[in-house]
Amino acid sequence: DQQVKQNSPSLSVQEGRISILNCDYTNSMFDYFLWYKKYPAEGPTFLISISSIKDKNEDGRFTVFLNKSAKHLSLHIVPSQPGDSAVYFCAASAVGGTSYGKLTFGQGTILTVHP
Amino acid sequence: DTGVSQNPRHKITKRGQNVTFRCDPISEHNRLYWYRQTLGQGPEFLTYFQNEAQLEKSRLLSDRFSAERPKGSFSTLEIQRTEQGDSAMYLCASSYQGRGTEAFFGQGTRLTVV
Repeated sequence: DQQVKQNSPSLSVQEGRISILNCDYTNSMFDYFLWYKKYPAEGPTFLISISSIKDKNEDGRFTVFLNKSAKHLSLHIVPSQPGDSAVYFCAASAVGGTSYGKLTFGQGTILTVHP
Repeated sequence: DTGVSQNPRHKITKRGQNVTFRCDPISEHNRLYWYRQTLGQGPEFLTYFQNEAQLEKSRLLSDRFSAERPKGSFSTLEIQRTEQGDSAMYLCASSYQGRGTEAFFGQGTRLTVV
């Protein structure tokens, strides 16, 4: 069962425009959400996170929005730059027990930013 | 460089052979995770250590897989009697204990079973 879903396999955006990457989850126990960026042949790099007590977190050009009632989060990149071209993974972590910190990932979205 | 280090970066092995991967986490991190990633998928959780204790194992981790973290420092992941389906990127990550702390990943070990 895919508890974290990224339904768009790819996204193409013009440089300077906004990139919006979406993620849906089904497990209501998830309370912490993260976005990772991955280049080919490298491990994922942490980008930004959000706790379930917030609905928005901003870090420079990156903003993550969380809609708990819809079990949906999105990552906005403004303005998009060619160096942002990579695979973006949404990940979620559940409360409680010894599973803290264990991440469940979506399938990823390939972002291409054209000059 | 004080990030998570994984060795080797690439491993090609014949079916049926045993392989071992090593992960050196960020030194002050007490949690260590192993994930596996196949083409077109996100990383999938395999197992997790807090200090030297292995606290959780995924059902993806068959009896051929074993992981250790002696003395709560580096970790090894061994795959016995490798199969072609084991071909994947094996990722290690580490984090602090505590709520809301992100995991930092190594560059991964690419395993190819021929």
